Order: sequence, then structure tokens, then C-alpha cells
Amino acid sequence: DSGVTQTPKHLITATGQRVTLRCSPRSGDLSVYWYQQSLDQGLQFLIQYYNGEERAKGNILERFSAQQFPDLHSELNLSSLELGDSALYFCASSVGRADPSGNTIYFGEGSWLTVV
Amino acid sequence: AQSVTQLDSHVSVSEGTPVLLRCNYSSSYSPSLFWYVQHPNKGLQLLLKYTSAATLVKGINGFEAEFKKSETSFHLTKPSAHMSDAAEYFCVVSDIGGGFKTIFGAGTRLFVKA
Repeated sequence: DSGVTQTPKHLITATGQRVTLRCSPRSGDLSVYWYQQSLDQGLQFLIQYYNGEERAKGNILERFSAQQFPDLHSELNLSSLELGDSALYFCASSVGRADPSGNTIYFGEGSWLTVV
Repeated sequence: AQSVTQLDSHVSVSEGTPVLLRCNYSSSYSPSLFWYVQHPNKGLQLLLKYTSAATLVKGINGFEAEFKKSETSFHLTKPSAHMSDAAEYFCVVSDIGGGFKTIFGAGTRLFVKA
């Protein structure tokens, strides 16, 4: 158990709909990352937040948005869903500081999204 | 900017034979390097990490990796493959460039034959 909690584990929804994926980072971790993993595109970095502020942006579509709340949990919002958005969405967390021990990222189990 | 290249998308070995998964990186700073493993339908699990201490790093499940700065490589090895090692492996580089970015390789799928 990595200590990173994601909900829901599985989600089936229709095209055009909107869903929210939730993530609770490990206790004490300030950075939260979102990744999308699909068969055709592999593991894609979407976005990173550090202590409530956006830190880095990857291949995140404009239909997707995220935020990190004061209690450090994060939500990934996916709207106007398309069939191609079906994927496994991972949340991960890390301490978030450039410390000598290395910034290990701990992953949750993922949220399976199926768009039908 | 950092980058990481996993040189093989698929590697197939027989059980009991050595495993070599290759990773090259580039970084303008002193990087931290990681290997993660992902078993089917599971999250990614840290195997080992290098953070500017000993260049030979030992991880879980008998895996180890050697940081070679002159070759900008961080290859993952295991002396004897086990069926349970079949999974996808990701090489990762992290440094303070670009606001502390972490870059994942494309992954190497390891197949282990009986």
C-alpha cells in the first residue's frame, strides 16, 4: 500500500458526460501528480500540483482540469468525455522538495474510466 | 531539459536467465533516477532509486541498477528472472530543472518464458 488513495476505482460513463476523480496523497506529501495510461499512448503525464498551486503541465487536454485543495487532496475533472478518454488514471504524490534523498513518487492504484 | 529513453519496448527472457532493461537519460543537473514496476492492473511500485550516493543501487526482488555518468545510463539488471517478474518497467529521471520535473520513460514490457 503506497498510501495514495484514489476514488472511484472503476467508473463507466457515457460520451459527453463529466466525471471527477479524487485523490488523497500520502500523509505529508505536498506534490500531487496526475497521469493517464492507455494502451495506445502509454503513461502520459497530465499535470502536477505543489501545495495548492499548479507546478507543471503535461499533455492535458483543455477538456480536463485539476485542482489541489488546502487539505492537499486533489481532483481531476474530465468533461465532454469521448471514447478515447477511456483509460487508467493514476494519481501520485511526493514530498515535492528538491532534497538529496530524491523525490520518490508514490502511485495510487488508479481509477479505471470507461467511456461508452 | 531532462529526457529518458528506454531502449527496448519489449524484452523476453527465459526463467532463470539474466534480465537487462536498458535506460539512457539526459539531465543538465545532478539527477535522481528511479525504476518503477507495474504489474497488470496495478499501480506503479518503486523498485529502486539513485540519488547521488553509491552508483550501484540495490532494489527490491533482487533487482539492481548501476548509474554510469560517462554513459548517461541507468540499466536495470537481475541475475535470474522469475515468472513473477513479468511486468512493465519504467525508468524515471528527476531533477530541479524546469521547476523540478520528473520524466518517465516509455516503458519496457518484460516477458518471462517458462
